[in-house]
Order: sequence, then structure tokens, then C-alpha cells
Amino acid sequence: DTGVSQDPRHKITKRGQNVTFRCDPISEHNRLYWYRQTLGQGPEFLTYFQNEAQLEKSRLLSDRFSAERPKGSFSTLEIQRTEQGDSAMYLCASSSRLDLYEQYFGPGTRLTVT
Amino acid sequence: AQSVTQLDSHVSVSEGTPVLLRCNYSSSYSPSLFWYVQHPNKGLQLLLKYTSAATLVKGINGFEAEFKKSETSFHLTKPSAHMSDAAEYFCVVSRGSARQLTFGSGTQLTVLP
Repeated sequence: DTGVSQDPRHKITKRGQNVTFRCDPISEHNRLYWYRQTLGQGPEFLTYFQNEAQLEKSRLLSDRFSAERPKGSFSTLEIQRTEQGDSAMYLCASSSRLDLYEQYFGPGTRLTVT
Repeated sequence: AQSVTQLDSHVSVSEGTPVLLRCNYSSSYSPSLFWYVQHPNKGLQLLLKYTSAATLVKGINGFEAEFKKSETSFHLTKPSAHMSDAAEYFCVVSRGSARQLTFGSGTQLTVLP
């Protein structure tokens, strides 16, 4: 296993369109996190899954955002009716039940809304 | 609420000289603290972590950090900078049962030849 992967790496979309990102965590990791990073800032927590259950959501996650992890493996993050303010890097991370403190990050999906 | 403040947005050092990146934390109880590094076009990588064991924590690539409760600080140091150390560094605190990470605003480290 080579780590957390995310797809696509880059996405350019027009305002108002829907977009979906995918994250594949490290295979034995039961926890999965989504973060958003805007230019010049540190990443901000969006949401967290333990297995298939979404246990926590940030107030940053408006009702246009939805995340799923249907079988406790990969996860998707969908943004509906995109706005220019959604332009950011979307990062996925996973961690193991054996070391809850260490999160392994994927390379991110860079979203540009025009 | 737990938070971290990185005191410098940019730090420049010459190759071979010491590195000091400063971070203060705010926490109502003993925090779990981390330093992550982000190289351009690469994912975030964990440098080191403090989880209430030894206060001096050694990480990868020669970096270390010291947890000082009296000063509420967790500064990152390296004795001798290398060109490959040029990157963005984030001080991070873990909070909640979900262990979600709260990042500082980052310090851009430049290493001059």
C-alpha cells in the first residue's frame, strides 16, 4: 500500500456546477478525515468518519457539502452548486485504530471555481 | 478551545545554520501537539508528535521540539539547515474524541545557499 490517494488531483469547474472528489485511505485505517486548505492558510477540519459512520462535521460544512463512506473504505466529498469561495485544496487523511494520533494525508484535490 | 499560534509567517536561514520555528499553544488541559511539513505539490508529512510522554521529542530529518508547559510553547528546532528543508511548516493540536487536527497558519522556511 502506497498511502492515501485522492482523485482527481485538479478540478476546474464553473460556478453552480456540482463536483465530487474521491479519497482512498490506507487500507487498514478505520478513521478518515476531510480538511480544506485555502491559499496561505493551514488546513481546516471539515468532517470525520469512523468506519462508515460520519461522526463529526464542522460548521464549515454547509448544506451544499455532503460526504459519504459507504462501506468504510473509500470516501467521497460532493459539493453542490459550487461557489467561487469553494476554491481550495481539499485534503483527505486517515488513521489507524492502533495510533489514533498519526494522520496520513493524501496529496489533495485542488478545486478552482470560475 | 484548543488552538496554536505560529509566531512567524516567514523564516529565512542560511544553509548549515540552526532553524527555530516558534509555536505557542492554548489548551485547557494537556494537549497533543504535532509539527507537519508541506513541500510544494506534496502531501502533508508528520515531522514529530508530543502526546504527554517525554517533553523533548525527536522527529524525522533531524528535527526536534520541546514541550514547555510553563511557556505554553512547542518550538521546532534543527541544528543545521539543509536546502531540502525549505517548505511550509505547520504546528498542530489534536482535539476531541475524533482527534481532529487544528492547524496553525504556517511558517514558510526559506534556506539560503
